[in-house]
Amino acid sequence: DTAVSQTPKYLVTQMGNDKSIKCEQNLGHDTMYWYKQDSKKFLKIMFSYNNKELIINETVPNRFSPKSPDKAHLNLHINSLELGDSAVYFCASSQDRRNPYNEQFFGPGTRLTVL
Amino acid sequence: QQQVKQSPQSLIVQKGGISIINCAYENTAFDYFPWYQQFPGKGPALLIAIRPDVSEKKEGRFTISFNKSAKQFSLHIMDSQPGDSATYFCAASVNYGQNFVFGPGTRLSVLP
Repeated sequence: DTAVSQTPKYLVTQMGNDKSIKCEQNLGHDTMYWYKQDSKKFLKIMFSYNNKELIINETVPNRFSPKSPDKAHLNLHINSLELGDSAVYFCASSQDRRNPYNEQFFGPGTRLTVL
Repeated sequence: QQQVKQSPQSLIVQKGGISIINCAYENTAFDYFPWYQQFPGKGPALLIAIRPDVSEKKEGRFTISFNKSAKQFSLHIMDSQPGDSATYFCAASVNYGQNFVFGPGTRLSVLP
């Protein structure tokens, strides 16, 4: 059983389009995250979110927005896609963001290619 | 800005050898240092972690050594196996995890 799942696995789209990536976790965790992994494998946190608070990395363009319909889902919406948005996006979850010793469980990733 | 530095960028080790990956940090407020392992096409997964109140933690073939005064920590993989071939990320966090940052990664290849 997949703990953290993402769809789609691959996403190819034209510049300027709007797209969404879905994430679901069945671990009962309180906090979910989105990370961006660029071509050099560098992992960078974009957002952390629980049902009360959204923490945004200040370097993330406002074209990116997380949407959480419920505790088990955190979707990533991207408007006006740019070439530089091409990367692998990982969703992750942990029991409690306020406990830094909690393990983060990552999804399999979504490879986004902007043409 | 890169808050966690990691070296080497890539590492090739013979089967049975010792793999050593080093990380250094600047923010003295960091209080949790995990290592994540990532196989191609997969998401990272927690391998082992350490808190700064101990200098070493061992789990099977994996050991973290921590030097608080030097602000450095390292991962040692004993008896390295081809199945260990992956990208390894050190990371650090502070307080409520809002500053959870990853190093740039080390690509390890263990030759059979």
